[in-house]
Amino acid sequence: KAGVTQTPRYLIKTRGQQVTLSCSPISGHRSVSWYQQTPGQGLQFLFEYFSETQRNKGNFPGRFSGRQFSNSRSEMNVSTLELGDSALYLCASTRRLAGAYEQYFGPGTRLTVT
Amino acid sequence: SQQGEEDPQALSIQEGENATMNCSYKTSINNLQWYRQNSGRGLVHLILIRSNEREKHSGRLRVTLDTSKKSSSLLITASRAADTASYFCATPSGTSYGKLTFGQGTILTVHP
Repeated sequence: KAGVTQTPRYLIKTRGQQVTLSCSPISGHRSVSWYQQTPGQGLQFLFEYFSETQRNKGNFPGRFSGRQFSNSRSEMNVSTLELGDSALYLCASTRRLAGAYEQYFGPGTRLTVT
Repeated sequence: SQQGEEDPQALSIQEGENATMNCSYKTSINNLQWYRQNSGRGLVHLILIRSNEREKHSGRLRVTLDTSKKSSSLLITASRAADTASYFCATPSGTSYGKLTFGQGTILTVHP
């Protein structure tokens, strides 16, 4: 099976702009989670989608939003970008294995805000 | 806040040596997962250990879990330069299986 794919891999944006990142999970995986990784805060959970519904949300401002489509592909959007939004954004799809759940990550999108 | 705390923060060894990384967590869990991340790239799932398991092996990896101490360790035997990476432990948050809480990670450098 193909792994989790994320596009684009790199982005440079200016403060105040908005950005949309895309994630395609592994075929058959219905749950998609998003994480932000920065040197200072480490890996932080943004939100999780399952069957087009947001099931969990991390402690991020409303500028961060997401959605999931019927084919399980997911997008996240960040509006009014700030310098502090510069980070590696990681998407993961989840599979259930004998009562436990494993997450498989994509390569990430490196966002730089100038 | 981070659920898992990892120790050491950085580890430097020679090829062929063993590397041990430790992870502590705060709340009860039903499983713990270990991931590897090469510089600036995505995370690679290494191994999942359930709360009713004490030890698990996968190739050169050995993971232990002590739920009474709320700690886990990852041992990489006969390390190689290609093992150079950051290693993270992660635990699910309550019943929310789509949400993992990560430790700060251990940076492992294996010198040829």
